Amino acid sequence: GDSVTQMEGPVTLSEEAFLTINCTYTATGYPSLFWYVQYPGEGLQLLLKATKADDKGSNKGFEATYRKETTSFHLEKGSVQVSDSAVYFCALKNEMNQFYFGTGTSLTVIP
Amino acid sequence: EAQVTQNPRYLITVTGKKLTVTCSQNMNHEYMSWYRQDPGLGLRQIYYSMNVEVTDKGDVPEGYKVSRKEKRNFPLILESPSPNQTSLYFCASRTWGSTDTQYFGPGTRLTVL
Repeated sequence: GDSVTQMEGPVTLSEEAFLTINCTYTATGYPSLFWYVQYPGEGLQLLLKATKADDKGSNKGFEATYRKETTSFHLEKGSVQVSDSAVYFCALKNEMNQFYFGTGTSLTVIP
Repeated sequence: EAQVTQNPRYLITVTGKKLTVTCSQNMNHEYMSWYRQDPGLGLRQIYYSMNVEVTDKGDVPEGYKVSRKEKRNFPLILESPSPNQTSLYFCASRTWGSTDTQYFGPGTRLTVL
């Protein structure tokens, strides 16, 4: 079945460090891919998305590129801030309109 | 403001005492769903509804019921809660388009003693 695998955390970085959170997926056909962010005590919010191969989603300095050849959608940010501390979820929506989420990666950014 | 609301936000109950968690959205979305979030397991879908009076099981439906009598509301019912249903629950809604995204409620933290 379809699934999403993302790197396990927790991840702790110093402010202004480079961030990569790996995400790979398994799906038939051409899924849409998403990154959601969950701040403490809140629900998930869409961070960025990509709907076809080679698309790059970007928002708030975060980027992810849909790589069909490697079935990946890694999240990157060049310089993290304390306010980026949150849990990040990779997700896919398949051609049956079903969503699958990864297990989440907790990020803590220290000043 | 477009939003998904859930109530209550926090609930502590005892085994076997029926409870309902309400969910409401104001975006006229057709599709609504319930997830539970557990450490190390991420989000798992409990039930979903593609429209009024249409509901179906997700990945972990055992011990839960839902109803969809109105488009905006999608309550989650635990007829006889057990401790293994202690979790963080999220309601979500979306349209049924090709590039749609999900909108999540703020979550309900349930503890079953």
